[in-house]
Amino acid sequence: GAVVSQHPSRVICKSGTSVKIECRSLDFQATTMFWYRQFPKKSLMLMATSNEGSKATYEQGVEKDKFLINHASLTLSTLTVTSAHPEDSSFYICSATRPGTDTQYFGPGTRLTVL
Amino acid sequence: AQSVTQLGSHVSVSEGALVLLRCNYSSSVPPYLFWYVQYPNQGLQLLLKYTSAATLVKGINGFEAEFKKSETSFHLTKPSAHMSDAAEYFCAVSELIQGAQKLVFGQGTRLTINP
Repeated sequence: GAVVSQHPSRVICKSGTSVKIECRSLDFQATTMFWYRQFPKKSLMLMATSNEGSKATYEQGVEKDKFLINHASLTLSTLTVTSAHPEDSSFYICSATRPGTDTQYFGPGTRLTVL
Repeated sequence: AQSVTQLGSHVSVSEGALVLLRCNYSSSVPPYLFWYVQYPNQGLQLLLKYTSAATLVKGINGFEAEFKKSETSFHLTKPSAHMSDAAEYFCAVSELIQGAQKLVFGQGTRLTINP
């Protein structure tokens, strides 16, 4: 069964609003979670590494103030897209690494559409 | 930095035929390599992984991959394609950056199965 969940699976919002996406590890505690963005028919682009209890590490070119990441507990990381615009429309996927392994388990993704 | 190249953005085979999806990597250290499958509007599911043990790795759904250091390759194969194998496949290499194992993905290969 799924070990990482995301909520919501799909969200439509108006331009200028903020949207929060949750990522949960279901049966293990994850000190590190990752957030990816995937454009249509494209590969996954790592946006940031979410570390429990500390600030997220963003990849080059990703706006920290635009994509706010909070990793408040060992099972929950949130990504908030602030002041969303149509170009932020994309498929956002999170993953979590099971402790003691090198394997990332991926969530089912969240489809964001900004009108 | 490590990188992954998947040869062929689209592969089409007949049901029952051999599936071969190509992946080449570049890495300055012994790599950890992964194959993931993505069905439409879903997250990624791990098919198999290579972590410096046996060079021939068997995964789920009848897939396997062989690590060839001399060719820097990690091609994915399945002897007999099934209609349910139609999906997007991603090869990835794991890179340790600032204490976190980050995945670098290839461009993806869309597999189509013809009846």
